[in-house]
Amino acid sequence: DIQMTQSPSSLSASVGDRVTITCRASQSISSYLNWYQQKPGKAPELLIYAASILQSGVPSRFSGSASETDFTLTISRLQPEDFATYYCQQSYSTPQTFGGGTKVEIK
Amino acid sequence: EVQLVQSGAEVKKPGDSLKISCKGSGYSFTTYRIGWVRQMPGKGLEWMGIIYPDDSGTRYNPSFQGLVTISVDKSISTAYLQWSSLKASDTAMYYCARRVDLWNTYDYWGQGTLVTVSS
Repeated sequence: DIQMTQSPSSLSASVGDRVTITCRASQSISSYLNWYQQKPGKAPELLIYAASILQSGVPSRFSGSASETDFTLTISRLQPEDFATYYCQQSYSTPQTFGGGTKVEIK
Repeated sequence: EVQLVQSGAEVKKPGDSLKISCKGSGYSFTTYRIGWVRQMPGKGLEWMGIIYPDDSGTRYNPSFQGLVTISVDKSISTAYLQWSSLKASDTAMYYCARRVDLWNTYDYWGQGTLVTVSS
């Protein structure tokens, strides 16, 4: 199985901050990397797919990038509605494993 | 509007059987695979397996192989996840999600079904 190592597991930030979350794959996954946002009591929602393509309707303050097996989710200016848990997922091969999640909390 | 609507919360005893459902609407159900994801209380997401509604072909995460069965009834646009003998450790929220083949990404999710297994 491909392991996805996500960091940090949690972070505290203020509204307006720039936030970066990283995810490392244990082997090459090309650009088959997705990012999801999950708010408490809700289902995950797709933010970014193919490492850097923004899902329709997702604000442009979210962006994704890739460098070999390292992937990054950036929120350029954190908004109150962005406080949530974020997960990466590789969709290169089954089982389509998720990272452990990053909880973004209010500082 | 694409929707995946899951069946309601369940409370079961260890050893009970259970089948939960996920009904798709607003799109061609047989064109997209449906995946199942587990989230144990306070924990992260785990990919369980996937089914192709057109031919009922399935793939399981080895961690769940033999423990659950994924099936589909394309005549009513519904996918299922079932257990023959529940354990307390099956207590979790279960999500279904639609997979887009281009990048194998999950673009629409059900609201989740909470399964509680307790004696």
